[in-house]
Amino acid sequence: GAVVSQHPSWVICKSGTSVKIECRSLDFQATTMFWYRQFPKQSLMLMATSNEGSKATYEQGVEKDKFLINHASLTLSTLTVTSAHPEDSSFYICSARVTGAYEQYFGPGTRLTVT
Amino acid sequence: GENVEQHPSTLSVQEGDSAVIKCTYSDSASNYFPWYKQELGKRPQLIIDIRSNVGEKKDQRIAVTLNKTAKHFSLHITETQPEDSAVYFCAASWMDSSYKLIFGSGTRLLVRP
Repeated sequence: GAVVSQHPSWVICKSGTSVKIECRSLDFQATTMFWYRQFPKQSLMLMATSNEGSKATYEQGVEKDKFLINHASLTLSTLTVTSAHPEDSSFYICSARVTGAYEQYFGPGTRLTVT
Repeated sequence: GENVEQHPSTLSVQEGDSAVIKCTYSDSASNYFPWYKQELGKRPQLIIDIRSNVGEKKDQRIAVTLNKTAKHFSLHITETQPEDSAVYFCAASWMDSSYKLIFGSGTRLLVRP
């Protein structure tokens, strides 16, 4: 149980285009979903926290107009990287948790390359 | 906000030896401390976690200790095996923050056969 999927697993896009990444909780309802970014040989950096039906809370330094997060249902959250640039190339990982639980379940990640 | 520091950044041990990774946190409100193992290109995998009302927790070869007064916690791996080689991350979380995780910088563990 507690499986989180992400789609796509990898994507290559041209500079200036937008990319959408989906995060789904397959066998549980996720009260809260989180989005992380991980550059090579670095740690996971929290980008934002999203609760179903409400606006995401972004961490300091993360541009909310560039990284659009939608959490429309208890099983789906999306991250859209708008007007992507090469410096946005990274490994994006989502996670999800259920009400009252500390543990987060991580998706497999999406490798984004912007050319 | 919360800040988590992790040491060492790299650790090389001989197979069968023990490995210890240490983390300190800044926010006394933190009350959940998980440890993750991450292999290259894969998702973090929870290996053990501890709540603030517990001082130590053990699961086979892995143990975690927590010192709330000093605000530090440690991961102990005994009888290391080559398959333990990976990057390990500590993290801290607290209820009032929507349970968000703040990660340490990571430790690259190499177990030499």
